[in-house]
Amino acid sequence: AQSVTQPDIHITVSEGASLELRCNYSYGATPYLFWYVQSPGQGLQLLLKYFSGDTLVQGIKGFEAEFKRSQSSFNLRKPSVHWSDAAEYFCAVGAGNRDDKIIFGKGTRLHILP
Amino acid sequence: DAGVIQSPRHEVTEMGQEVTLRCKPISGHDYLFWYRQTMMRGLELLIYFNNNVPIDDSGMPEDRFSAKMPNASFSTLKIQPSEPRDSAVYFCASSLLGWGTDTQYFGPGTRLTVL
Repeated sequence: AQSVTQPDIHITVSEGASLELRCNYSYGATPYLFWYVQSPGQGLQLLLKYFSGDTLVQGIKGFEAEFKRSQSSFNLRKPSVHWSDAAEYFCAVGAGNRDDKIIFGKGTRLHILP
Repeated sequence: DAGVIQSPRHEVTEMGQEVTLRCKPISGHDYLFWYRQTMMRGLELLIYFNNNVPIDDSGMPEDRFSAKMPNASFSTLKIQPSEPRDSAVYFCASSLLGWGTDTQYFGPGTRLTVL
């Protein structure tokens, strides 16, 4: 069965600084990987996803993530954060079959300092 | 498209009362999911439907919870009787193709408080 770990519960960065949120997964085959964002009082919204091909994936709002099979990681990055990026970020891993489970991580809450 | 619609957005009720949460998925999406989010347990899948048929309800906490999808555009999650530990945010989500491979579109959630 697959699993996903987000080691950081909270992260604080200054506006304009770069950001990296960590995600580690466990799955025997090539996983389907997702990053979702949840703004306060809202549902989750997909930022980006990886299925195959280029290991550097571009998403919405200037985010990108890199799949590293050797490290079982799928870290989310942004070169310069904006105050509006303050939210909770969820990494998720799927087994790649239509009716298999997606497992969500516990989330990382991002705080932005002005 | 209006996205996934949930009602009510907030619900406050007393222990023992019946609670019904409602969801309208995105038109054309074959899959519908109900999640519960709490600080302690994070995001948990309760049940999901494919073409209106419940496929996996292993996440439903107990018999007090039930979910139905009478047609492709409407689903309900019912709690009877409600208990304080049911207080959480309940999300409905839908997807076009499936669970393990496709993007899920989430509604804004219903914040349930059971006193």
